[in-house]
Amino acid sequence: AQSVSQHNHHVILSEAASLELGCNYSYGGTVNLFWYVQYPGQHLQLLLKYFSGDPLVKGIKGFEAEFIKSKFSFNLRKPSVQWSDTAEYFCAVNAYTGGFKTIFGAGTRLFVKA
Amino acid sequence: DVKVTQSSRYLVKRTGEKVFLECVQDMDHENMFWYRQDPGLGLRLIYFSYDVKMKEKGDIPEGYSVSREKKERFSLILESASTNQTSMYLCASSPLGNSPLHFGNGTRLTVT
Repeated sequence: AQSVSQHNHHVILSEAASLELGCNYSYGGTVNLFWYVQYPGQHLQLLLKYFSGDPLVKGIKGFEAEFIKSKFSFNLRKPSVQWSDTAEYFCAVNAYTGGFKTIFGAGTRLFVKA
Repeated sequence: DVKVTQSSRYLVKRTGEKVFLECVQDMDHENMFWYRQDPGLGLRLIYFSYDVKMKEKGDIPEGYSVSREKKERFSLILESASTNQTSMYLCASSPLGNSPLHFGNGTRLTVT
C-alpha cells in the first residue's frame, strides 16, 4: 500500500523567505503526484501535479515541485513567500492498487509573517 | 467549473444515531471519494466509487458504509455514530482515476 510522509508539520516564515516543503512517498510502481493547498476557510484546491516528463513542474502562484524518483520525493518550493501563502499544504500520491487511490500526507501548516 | 456540493456544513449528532452525509457533483465525473480530515493526520480515505453502484474500501472503512445509486450522488453513512467519528468529512470527485480531485467544502460532524 502507498503512504506519504510530510516532514514538517508547522513552518513559520517571514515574507520574502524561500520555502521548501518535503514530501516522500512509499510505493514501488508508477505514481502520479500532487500538491494541494487549503487556505483558511476554503476548500482544498490543486496547486500542481506531476504525471510524467519533466520532473520539475510549475503550478499556480509561483509554486514549483521537483520529482526525484530515486529518492521517492516530491518537494514543494517557492523562492519568495507572501503573507497570502499562509495555508495548509498537502502532498498526495495517486497509484493503481486494484483501483486508483489518492493518499494524502498529514499536511504542513505554513504561517507567513508580514 | 466543477462543483462538488456537500449538503451540510455543520452537523451535530448523538452517539448511536444513524448519520447520512450527502455529496453531489455536477460534472458527470466517474469517480467519487469520501475522506475524513483530522489535525495532524491529514486526509484519510474512507471509501471511493468508480461507477454507479460500485464501491471500494479505502484505508479506514470501519464504521462507515456508502451508497451510489446515481452517478452524481455519493452518500456516506455512519450506521451508529460514535464520538471517535467526530471529524471534518470531505467529498471529492474526478473524471478519471488518476485525475486531480475536486473537493467540496466539507461537513464538520460532531458526535456527542
